[in-house]
Amino acid sequence: DSGVTQTPKHLITATGQRVTLRCSPRSGDLSVYWYQQSLDQGLQFLIQYYNGEERAKGNILERFSAQQFPDLHSELNLSSLELGDSALYFCASSGGGGPDTQYFGPGTRLTVL
Amino acid sequence: DQQVKQNSPSLSVQEGRISILNCDYTNSMFDYFLWYKKYPAEGPTFLISISSIKDKNEDGRFTVFLNKSAKHLSLHIVPSQPGDSAVYFCAAERGFGNEKLTFGTGTRLTIIP
Repeated sequence: DSGVTQTPKHLITATGQRVTLRCSPRSGDLSVYWYQQSLDQGLQFLIQYYNGEERAKGNILERFSAQQFPDLHSELNLSSLELGDSALYFCASSGGGGPDTQYFGPGTRLTVL
Repeated sequence: DQQVKQNSPSLSVQEGRISILNCDYTNSMFDYFLWYKKYPAEGPTFLISISSIKDKNEDGRFTVFLNKSAKHLSLHIVPSQPGDSAVYFCAAERGFGNEKLTFGTGTRLTIIP
């Protein structure tokens, strides 16, 4: 158990809809990262938050947004969903003070029908 | 642009022998490297890491070697056990202020009993 929790575990929705994925980092970790893993591909970095502020952005679509709340949990919002958005979405957390190990949650499997 | 490459999509090794997984990178700004193990539909599990100031790091059966001049790292698992069967991802990080992980595409390791 990494200490990072993600909800929900599975999500099935239709094209055009909007969903919210939630992540709670390990106790004391200030940084939260979101990654996407599409079928049989590596993990692609989406976005990082550090202590409530956006710190780095990767290949995140404009239809996607995220935020980190004062209690440090984070939410990833995906809107106008397309079939190609079906993937595993992982959240990771770390102390955020420099090169540091990121610990991953179990992921949310999103299926867009 | 694949900055972290794992050129072997799969590897089979007899139980008890050594497993060697390889990873190459192109970005000389990377200064922290990690190996993760991943089972299907689960989050990546951190295995071992190495800073660019070292050339070797050992943790039990796992050893990571870094050759900065060749921009190459490898993960050695000895002895290999059936529970080691999983997909292994190499990841690289640029360090302070830019901590997103860049992942390789993974190597599926199968340990043959």
